[in-house]
Amino acid sequence: NAGVTQTPKFRILKIGQSMTLQCAQDMNHNYMYWYRQDPGMGLKLIYYSVGAGITDKGEVPNGYNVSRSTTEDFPLRLELAAPSQTSVYFCASSYSQYEQFFGPGTRLTVL
Amino acid sequence: ELKVEQNPLFLSMQEGKNYTIYCNYSTTSDRLYWYRQDPGKSLESLFVLLSNGAVKQEGRLMASLDTKARLSTLHITAAVHDLSATYFCAVSPSVGGATNKLIFGTGTLLAVQP
Repeated sequence: NAGVTQTPKFRILKIGQSMTLQCAQDMNHNYMYWYRQDPGMGLKLIYYSVGAGITDKGEVPNGYNVSRSTTEDFPLRLELAAPSQTSVYFCASSYSQYEQFFGPGTRLTVL
Repeated sequence: ELKVEQNPLFLSMQEGKNYTIYCNYSTTSDRLYWYRQDPGKSLESLFVLLSNGAVKQEGRLMASLDTKARLSTLHITAAVHDLSATYFCAVSPSVGGATNKLIFGTGTLLAVQP
């Protein structure tokens, strides 16, 4: 099993550009999550999904969008990137209410 | 709104010493998680605590949960350099628990000195 995979590992965006962060898991987990981690801080939940076709907002959803068309994939879309979105983004998955497994992260810089 | 506080935020300790990291949270929860993060890396699950009085141990680390006091502790016994990392606790609110949303503490940076 590859577990949770994320692409790209690093990305630099200009202000106003858009991009999609990819996340996939091969553990057949029904729950998936997107977090951001700012320097020296804990993780904050952006969006989550409890199954294909079902998504909901977390603590910090503004400026982001998600979709969940399959169990395996949970892409995160940034529209009109802003410097405040410079962060490390982690995707995670879990089987229902059990422990979450995290991907390796995507380091995003918006200049 | 659920808040999760850890202390200390930074801990420098000598090898062989014992210490405890504390995690307090503000509202009812019956699930608490401890994670480890090495610099520039992802999060690794250490412990899942699911009930009041739960205690789990793995090597030199032991975690406990007191849901009545809304407190979890991560105790380090006879620290070694390999334990140097940032440790996070994360709490899942009981209300809306079906979503398994986690609220993270700010982390404790542990540096074990030889």
